[in-house]
Amino acid sequence: DAKTTQPNSMESNEEEPVHLPCNHSTISGTDYIHWYRQLPSQGPEYVIHGLTSNVNNRMASLAIAEDRKSSTLILHRATLRDAAVYYCILGVISGNTGKLIFGQGTTLQVKP
Amino acid sequence: DTGVSQDPRHKITKRGQNVTFRCDPISEHNRLYWYRQTLGQGPEFLTYFQNEAQLEKSRLLSDRFSAERPKGSFSTLEIQRTEQGDSAMYLCASSSWRANEKLFFGSGTQLSVL
Repeated sequence: DAKTTQPNSMESNEEEPVHLPCNHSTISGTDYIHWYRQLPSQGPEYVIHGLTSNVNNRMASLAIAEDRKSSTLILHRATLRDAAVYYCILGVISGNTGKLIFGQGTTLQVKP
Repeated sequence: DTGVSQDPRHKITKRGQNVTFRCDPISEHNRLYWYRQTLGQGPEFLTYFQNEAQLEKSRLLSDRFSAERPKGSFSTLEIQRTEQGDSAMYLCASSSWRANEKLFFGSGTQLSVL
């Protein structure tokens, strides 16, 4: 399984944008890039996923490098409720078993 | 859509006892997954069902672990002869055939083995 590399922790100020990086240099052509987050005492929550093009939804944006070896999750205006562990995961969707391989993720702290 | 429900939320047991956890997925989700998470680590995949069929099991799932999904709805995860190393959060997730990429997780069952 292809691996991802994320910083252990990041800090942000409330109401400022946050850019969470992820490196995945061994990504294969069929791997989608998924992002989940986990708030304290809760299960992980889906954030966004993409293959090649940048993606936007109501929670965040996903910017994918042209060579697909890295990606960035963008929270446009961080709130205190965005403080969580953010996981960048590679996975195949077609025939996907749901076997997402989580790393240790990035712990995001949001300061008021 | 009431979300994925797991029961109990917490379980304390003595080493050597058997424990069983239950997961109720989102209705009509045909896929159900079990993960395990220890403190400071990301969740680890244990096993996966499509309807009632168990299609994949991780090497992490020793012989003491068994999971069932008898009617393709709720699922149970049983651990026999618990060990202290089994202490962890056990997470259940489900997904729809229409959107397999989006897993919905429950809040988990926290197991403590004394």
